[in-house]
Amino acid sequence: AQSVTQLDSQVPVFEEAPVELRCNYSSSVSVYLFWYVQYPNQGLQLLLKYLSGSTLVKGINGFEAEFNKSQTSFHLRKPSVHISDTAEYFCAVIPDTGRRALTFGSGTRLQVQP
Amino acid sequence: GAGVSQTPSNKVTEKGKYVELRCDPISGHTALYWYRQSLGQGPEFLIYFQGTGAADDSGLPNDRFFAVRPEGSVSTLKIQRTERGDSAVYLCASSLSGGSLRETQYFGPGTRLLVL
Repeated sequence: AQSVTQLDSQVPVFEEAPVELRCNYSSSVSVYLFWYVQYPNQGLQLLLKYLSGSTLVKGINGFEAEFNKSQTSFHLRKPSVHISDTAEYFCAVIPDTGRRALTFGSGTRLQVQP
Repeated sequence: GAGVSQTPSNKVTEKGKYVELRCDPISGHTALYWYRQSLGQGPEFLIYFQGTGAADDSGLPNDRFFAVRPEGSVSTLKIQRTERGDSAVYLCASSLSGGSLRETQYFGPGTRLLVL
């Protein structure tokens, strides 16, 4: 089985500051990794995903994430946040075993303040 | 094109009642997924359809929960004898074929179910 840990339930940050949202996972098999964003009253939207190759993955809206296999981490970063980035962010994994179910972390609420 | 749609957006029911939640996937997507998101938690997998058949229903919590997809497009999640603990946001997602784990799952806005 897989598990995903997002240690920070809330991250307050000022506009134009950099931010890092942490994600750690546990799995006995290889996994693919995803970051989704959930804006109020909207569905989950894919920000980026790591499948293979370069460990630095670039996504939409200026976000990027780095896969670190030895630390089983997939932290999300943005060098300069905007008010519009205020949302809930979810890290998720899917095992490379054929099962289609995403396993999500509990989410991190990013609050960008002016 | 249109995304995944779910109806109703909100549903309030009384304990013990039966409810149906509907999901319309993206046109042409053959894979469909249901997840449940409780307050303050991430989504949890319920069931996955490949075409008309349930390929993985291991996430359904008990036999009060059932889902169908009779024509391989629209899906209905059915909950019998609802309990207060069933209150959550029920999310539907679809992907192109389900043939690869690398496929993106596209999520709908969810149905917020409240059991009184």
